[in-house]
Order: sequence, then structure tokens, then C-alpha cells
Amino acid sequence: DQQVKQNSPSLSVQEGRISILNCDYTNSMFDYFLWYKKYPAEGPTFLISISSIKDKNEDGRFTVFLNKSAKHLSLHIVPSQPGDSAVYFCAATGGGSNYKLTFGKGTLLTVNP
Amino acid sequence: KAGVTQTPRYLIKTRGQQVTLSCSPISGHRSVSWYQQTPGQGLQFLFEYFSETQRNKGNFPGRFSGRQFSNSRSEMNVSTLELGDSALYLCASSPFSGGGYNEQFFGPGTRLTVL
Repeated sequence: DQQVKQNSPSLSVQEGRISILNCDYTNSMFDYFLWYKKYPAEGPTFLISISSIKDKNEDGRFTVFLNKSAKHLSLHIVPSQPGDSAVYFCAATGGGSNYKLTFGKGTLLTVNP
Repeated sequence: KAGVTQTPRYLIKTRGQQVTLSCSPISGHRSVSWYQQTPGQGLQFLFEYFSETQRNKGNFPGRFSGRQFSNSRSEMNVSTLELGDSALYLCASSPFSGGGYNEQFFGPGTRLTVL
């Protein structure tokens, strides 16, 4: 049972345009959500997070939106740059002492020059 | 500050063998978590260690085990290897326990191939 789903395995956008990566979750106990970015041959690196008490968090070109009623979050990258090309993982945690991270399967973002 | 290091980077084993992977966290970090990444399942949590104690465990069989030493270095062991254990094994460290609530710093991973 996959509790965090990233339904788009890949996404291709033009440099300078907006990239929107989507993520859905099923576990209503999740209360903290994160995005990680992974380049080939490297480990994932933390990008941005959001608590369930917020609906938006912004950090430079990266904004994460959370829609709790729809159990949906999205990551917006504006403007997209070729260096943003990587696999993006959505992750969630929550449920009292069960604070392990549950990841989605990832979305490969390709930003074309 | 040096990042998380994992050794070896690549490993080839045959079915039935056992394997031990090592992880050295960032200096001062006391929490180490292990993840398995496969194309079909994505990143899956194996376990977290903090101050030499296992704090949390994922849904993996008992063939997967780990430990943490007093210097925070951690090892994970997989016994009786199966073909399906072929994966990238990632280690992540954090200053505190609390798993996903704290930013985790990942190593580059160990690529295990089981033949």
C-alpha cells in the first residue's frame, strides 16, 4: 500500500518556465511533508518542507503548496533552470512516535535549455 | 565539514551470501537512518539508530539488521541475500532523533547487486 504517490514518473519543461511536481498521500496522520532532490550518483538532498498547519512555504525559486482536504501537495519551481534537472522525491512523516519518512517513487525533472 | 560517507560504494554478491554495509555520519550527528532504493518501490525506510539504540524500523524481514557504535558509525547487515535485495542502500544522518521531522543528510549510497 503506497501511502505517498508521485503519479508522474517524468516531467520535461523549458528553461525559464514553471515546473510543477505533484504528490498525493493517503495517510491522514501525516503532518509534515518534505521534498528531496537527487542527482545521479549522489544521495538525496533536502529541498523544502511544509508543516500541515501551513498551506504554503516558499524558499527562493521553490514553493510547496499543501492541500490537506485533497491530501495533495505540489512543488513549484520558478523559473526552472537546467541545473534543476534531477529526480524529485516527495516524502511525509507523522503519527506521533511513528516519525519515519515515507517517500514517493520520485519524478524525473528535465529542464531543457 | 565532511559529509556522510558510505563504504563500499559498489558490491556484488551471490544469492545466499551475507553482506555488511558501513556508514559514517557527519561529525556530531547521532542519528543514522538506512533506506533501500529500488526502481519499483522507490525509497523505503529500513531503520533508524540513535545513540546506539534502534528507534524505528520499517517493514523489512529480519534478514535486514543494523547496529550503531559509540562513535555514531553504523552498519547494516543483510543475511541470506535474495535477488530482490539488489538495490541502492542509502544512509542518512541527522543531529537529532525524530526521523523525518529533522533534515536528513544522505550519503551517496552503496549499490548492491545480487547475482
